[in-house]
Amino acid sequence: QKEVEQNSGPLSVPEGAIASLNCTYSDRGSQSFFWYRQYSGKSPELIMSIYSNGDKEDGRFTAQLNKASQYVSLLIRDSQPSDSATYLCAVANNDMRFGAGTRLTVKP
Amino acid sequence: GAGVSQSPSNKVTEKGKDVELRCDPISGHTALYWYRQRLGQGLEFLIYFQGNSAPDKSGLPSDRFSAERTGESVSTLTIQRTQQEDSAVYLCASSPRGTGTYNEQFFGPGTRLTVL
Repeated sequence: QKEVEQNSGPLSVPEGAIASLNCTYSDRGSQSFFWYRQYSGKSPELIMSIYSNGDKEDGRFTAQLNKASQYVSLLIRDSQPSDSATYLCAVANNDMRFGAGTRLTVKP
Repeated sequence: GAGVSQSPSNKVTEKGKDVELRCDPISGHTALYWYRQRLGQGLEFLIYFQGNSAPDKSGLPSDRFSAERTGESVSTLTIQRTQQEDSAVYLCASSPRGTGTYNEQFFGPGTRLTVL
C-alpha cells in the first residue's frame, strides 16, 4: 500500500464546473497536509495547507481534511482552463510524503 | 533571494561522467530536500538536511549519489558515473522548519538532467 494515494486521472471537467481531487494516506500520525499544483515542465507550487479537521477555503480552492478517515481533498470551484495541471497531495508527520499526483484538464 | 534557485537548469552529459547539481535555498530556511522526478512520474525523495543534524539519506538510490550542505545554505547533489536511468528532473525544496507541523516546502525550478 502506498503511503499517499491519489487517482492518477486524467480528470476532465468543463470550464466553470467544480473539480474534486482526492487523496488518502496511511500514516495516522500525520499532522500536516498540503496540495501542490504542478504545471507541465514546471516545479510544484504550494496552493493549500491544512492542519485540522474540516474545511479551509482560499478563493476558489477549498481543502477538506478528515483525519478519522485518513482522507484529504481539494475542491476547485469555477474551474478555469488555467487550472489544468497535475495536483500533488503531500502528507507530513516526521517527514513529507507525496502522492503521484492527479492530472486535471479543464476544457473550455 | 526571493525563492529557491537551482543550477544548471539543464545538463546533458555522457554516460559514466560525474555531475554536480546546485541548490540555493530561501534565506533563513533550515531544511533542504532533494527529489527526483522522472518524466510523467511523481516525486521521489532523495535526501533531507535539517540544520546541523546528520542528513536523512534514506532515499538515495545508490552509492553513486551523494549530497552535501554547508550550514544552512547551499547544497550540492553529486551523481557519479551517471547512467541513462539517472535522466530526470532533480528538484530542490527548502522549508522554514524541518519535520513537524507547518513545514511547507518551497520548490526550486529544477535541473533537467539528460544522460546520453
